[in-house]
Amino acid sequence: DAEITQSPRHKITETGRQVTLACHQTWNHNNMFWYRQDLGHGLRLIHYSYGVQDTNKGEVSDGYSVSRSNTEDLPLTLESAASSQTSVYFCAFTGRGRNQPQHFGDGTRLSIL
Amino acid sequence: QKEVEQDPGPLSVPEGAIVSLNCTYSNSAFQYFMWYRQYSRKGPELLMYTYSSGNKEDGRFTAQVDKSSKYISLFIRDSQPSDSATYLCAMSEGSGNTGKLIFGQGTTLQVKP
Repeated sequence: DAEITQSPRHKITETGRQVTLACHQTWNHNNMFWYRQDLGHGLRLIHYSYGVQDTNKGEVSDGYSVSRSNTEDLPLTLESAASSQTSVYFCAFTGRGRNQPQHFGDGTRLSIL
Repeated sequence: QKEVEQDPGPLSVPEGAIVSLNCTYSNSAFQYFMWYRQYSRKGPELLMYTYSSGNKEDGRFTAQVDKSSKYISLFIRDSQPSDSATYLCAMSEGSGNTGKLIFGQGTTLQVKP
């Protein structure tokens, strides 16, 4: 089965710091997504990528960036962390073939003090 | 008004009960509908995936989509304590593997032994 790994699982940092969250999938699927989950909001899309060198903004992209240099990885960077970015971050991918649903990693819990 | 509305609960039922979870939405262009189950400190896990209107059954789970009413439901028969989790509805305009997902807030379900 395809796997998706997120690291670290937990992180505490200070406002103004740069933070990078890792997302790695093992089956070279093209489509990858980043979401944040907050109480009262469900999951909201931050950025997504349909392949190498392709990145797109989602609903809540301000303050975040992604880069896609290979098929397996889509790191999410917070350029200057803000307390409002304290959240749980999930990475997702879709499998091969048409109309495949998204599958999620187990998330990174990020606290910004 | 949010595009997808879901009662956050919590919903508490006795073991063996039939559970009904619901979402309403406003975007008539949504075509793909999903239900995810999320245990505490884990990522969302896909339960059901349907296209357009109709019913889909998988074991104790039945998903219903009524596009005319912009209403989707998930029924759980013979509920078990292991069903205790947060249930998220999600939907998209495009096909599941490229479409951006819009999530409801999630409904927290507790099944008491």
